[in-house]
This record gives sequence, structure tokens and C-alpha cells, in this order.
Amino acid sequence: SQKIEQNSEALNIQEGKTATLTCNYTNYSPAYLQWYRQDPGRGPVFLLLIRENEKEKRKERLKVTFDTTLKQSLFHITASQPADSATYLCALGTGGGNKLTFGTGTQLKVEL
Amino acid sequence: NAGVTQTPKFRVLKTGQSMTLLCAQDMNHEYMYWYRQDPGMGLRLIHYSVGEGTTAKGEVPDGYNVSRLKKQNFLLGLESAAPSQTSVYFCASRGGPTDTQYFGPGTRLTVL
Repeated sequence: SQKIEQNSEALNIQEGKTATLTCNYTNYSPAYLQWYRQDPGRGPVFLLLIRENEKEKRKERLKVTFDTTLKQSLFHITASQPADSATYLCALGTGGGNKLTFGTGTQLKVEL
Repeated sequence: NAGVTQTPKFRVLKTGQSMTLLCAQDMNHEYMYWYRQDPGMGLRLIHYSVGEGTTAKGEVPDGYNVSRLKKQNFLLGLESAAPSQTSVYFCASRGGPTDTQYFGPGTRLTVL
């Protein structure tokens, strides 16, 4: 069966450290993978896109990797800040890229 | 430029009642989506549209209908609401070079 797995337990880290979130998937061949941020009571907000032929993408303090052999994406936030505390969702571009299939998300808490 | 708006923000229904959720976008996007989000389940696609006058089923379409009569609007209907449809509903539109989905603020629906 098809699955997208993200750490269900909250990730707690200290301010200034690097947060690493994992997204694993099975029985999908996504055209691309995206990461979104969701704050309580709000809709998800797009952060980064990485396509199937790309290994790594960076945007400011964010970095995403995509390993289609391992079927895994890693999402890194360097020099984390309390304002980075949120739930982070990975989403696979499926259905020829017309649809997104979301993971359940990982809650990140950055403590002072 | 309002982005994606949803109406209403909150609604309480009794079992068997009907209602329509309205989504509007002002970004001239072709693609629009309706999701529901439940604790522990993540975002699940209900229906989507790849252009004016088109609709397609997503992962959990049963009990819902949609219409896309105008490019900027995507309506989600519940003909006979059930308690299992208690959820937060998000609309999104998609566009741009990164295939970003832009989400609305959500509608919190409770069916008693």
C-alpha cells in the first residue's frame, strides 16, 4: 500500500541548533516533493520544492534533500529560532503532478 | 490581492442538513483543490479541478460534490451532512513555476 511517513512525535530542539525532519514514502513515484509549514488554526504555507531529478535545494536557512532510491526526503532548518516552531508537512506530487498527497506532519518546537 | 478566501469560517450543522462551502481565488490559477484535515490523518484530498468547468475525485470524495462554474470559484457541497464530516476544510489553488499550492484559512465544520 502507499504510505507517506513523517515523525509523529514532536521534535524539540534548542534555539540555534539544526532541526532535521524526515519524510519517507513507499509505493509512490512522485514527480516532485514539497515542504509546507502549518501554524495552528491556519492553512499550510509553501516552503520549498524539489523535483525528482534534483538532490538538494536551499533557501536561506532551509535545505531539503531528495533521495528517490531511498524514497526519502530530509528537511533541515539551520540556526533554528522559536519562530520556527510549527508543524511541517511533506507532500508528494502525484497524479502526473496534478495532485499533492500529504504526510501527517511533524511538530517542531524550538526552545530558548 | 487577497489570495485564497473561504466562506464561512465556522459552521455547525445538524445531521442531514446541507451546506455549501465557497472558495475564491484572485490569482488566475487553473487548478483548485478541496481538502479535509483531521487529527492524525493529515490533509486528504476530496475533489479537485484542473480548470473551469472540470472536476475530479480525490482520495475521499464520498458525501461531497463540487462545482467550478467560474475559474475563480470552487464550491464544495454537502447534501446530507454526517458527523463523520466534522473536520477542518481547506481550499487551495495552484500556480507558479514551483507548482505551489496556496491555501485558504480553512472552514471549521461541526456536524451534530
